[in-house]
Amino acid sequence: QKEVEQNSGPLSVPEGAIASLNCTYSDRGSQSFFWYRQYSGKSPELIMFIYSNGDKEDGRFTAQLNKASQYVSLLIRDSQPSDSATYLCAVTDGGSNYQLIWGAGTKLIIKP
Amino acid sequence: NAGVTQTPKFQVLKTGQSMTLQCAQDMNHNSMYWYRQDPGMGLRLIYYSASEGTTDKGEVPNGYNVSRLNKREFSLRLESAAPSQTSVYFCASSPREGEGYTEAFFGQGTRLTVV
Repeated sequence: QKEVEQNSGPLSVPEGAIASLNCTYSDRGSQSFFWYRQYSGKSPELIMFIYSNGDKEDGRFTAQLNKASQYVSLLIRDSQPSDSATYLCAVTDGGSNYQLIWGAGTKLIIKP
Repeated sequence: NAGVTQTPKFQVLKTGQSMTLQCAQDMNHNSMYWYRQDPGMGLRLIYYSASEGTTDKGEVPNGYNVSRLNKREFSLRLESAAPSQTSVYFCASSPREGEGYTEAFFGQGTRLTVV
């Protein structure tokens, strides 16, 4: 069974601090890695994707990938109350280019 | 700028009833997907269509059927609804075929309750 594991939270972070969200995956064949944000009652929206080992930065967001450890993380700098949401990690199924395996998400709360 | 449009947004069915969830995208995407999302679980793929004219089963296809009517539209049918199908259903589309998975754009979701 291919799995993506995330701590369900809630993760509580003070406004202005760095929020660190983590994800581990079981499928060594996974090639692409995605972070989606989902506000309560809304649909997921893509924040970042990463294909290669290392870091990828986009504004306040940094995705980190370590394929050897099968570990993906998302850092949010200068956290804002509007960042409060559930963050979903998704990785491609190594056996298919068209399917994603999703984690259950981490609920992040930014406290003013 | 519609993106991915799902109808209906809410639905209550009685056990054994049938219904079709509609999905349309106006982004000229090749691939379309139907997911369900249950509390405490990740999104689970029901069916997908890599391109117009093709459909394939995902992780949880039992109790569902799909139709890729044309490039824009991808419908999901519940032939005989069961309480276990109570869930939030999302349709999604993504741009390209044959180049691996790329960004998926989601519809607003359908909240289905089967009583």
